[in-house]
Amino acid sequence: KQEVTQIPAALSVPEGENLVLNCSFTDSAIYNLQWFRQDPGKGLTSLLLIQSSQREQTSGRLNASLDKSSGRSTLYIAASQPGDSATYLCAEANDYKLSFGAGTTVTVRA
Amino acid sequence: ETGVTQTPRHLVMGMTNKKSLKCEQHLGHNAMYWYKQSAKKPLELMFVYSLEERVENNSVPSRFSPECPNSSHLFLHLHTLQPEDSALYLCASSQANTEAFFGQGTRLTVV
Repeated sequence: KQEVTQIPAALSVPEGENLVLNCSFTDSAIYNLQWFRQDPGKGLTSLLLIQSSQREQTSGRLNASLDKSSGRSTLYIAASQPGDSATYLCAEANDYKLSFGAGTTVTVRA
Repeated sequence: ETGVTQTPRHLVMGMTNKKSLKCEQHLGHNAMYWYKQSAKKPLELMFVYSLEERVENNSVPSRFSPECPNSSHLFLHLHTLQPEDSALYLCASSQANTEAFFGQGTRLTVV
């Protein structure tokens, strides 16, 4: 059974600081790893998808890395803003199934 | 809108009621999913349909019954639910091994 762990569970930073969110997974045969954002009571918004053959993906202030050998992915958010406050979820895909971590809840203080 | 639409957004039902959740996607994806999100717990995969065939039933109680009449629509039929079934139910779609897109969810409360 695939297991996905996200540490820390919660994070509070002042505006402007860079964010580092960690995700670890046990399945070495993943197809891809996806990062999502979830606002309270809402659905998930896809942020970045890293295919298993890739090492990183970038979109604006977001950068995600993938190290399959160590079973780790990291999401970096540069120059955080209050609007970045949300829960961030990582999910590893094996065939058609996504297995999720419990998420990291981020608060960016103005 | 993400391309995946769920209705209703909120639902309150009694334990003896029968209701259905609806999900619709117009992204041309060939796989659709139901997930359950309870407070303080990771998303739990409930059902997966690939090319309209159910390929995963993750030990979900029979009071939840999925239906996938075509590649664009997915339903979750609910009957005789329990209060612990109260949760956010999320629908998602994807093309195999590519980016998954989620709907906004249905907040279900069982009273």
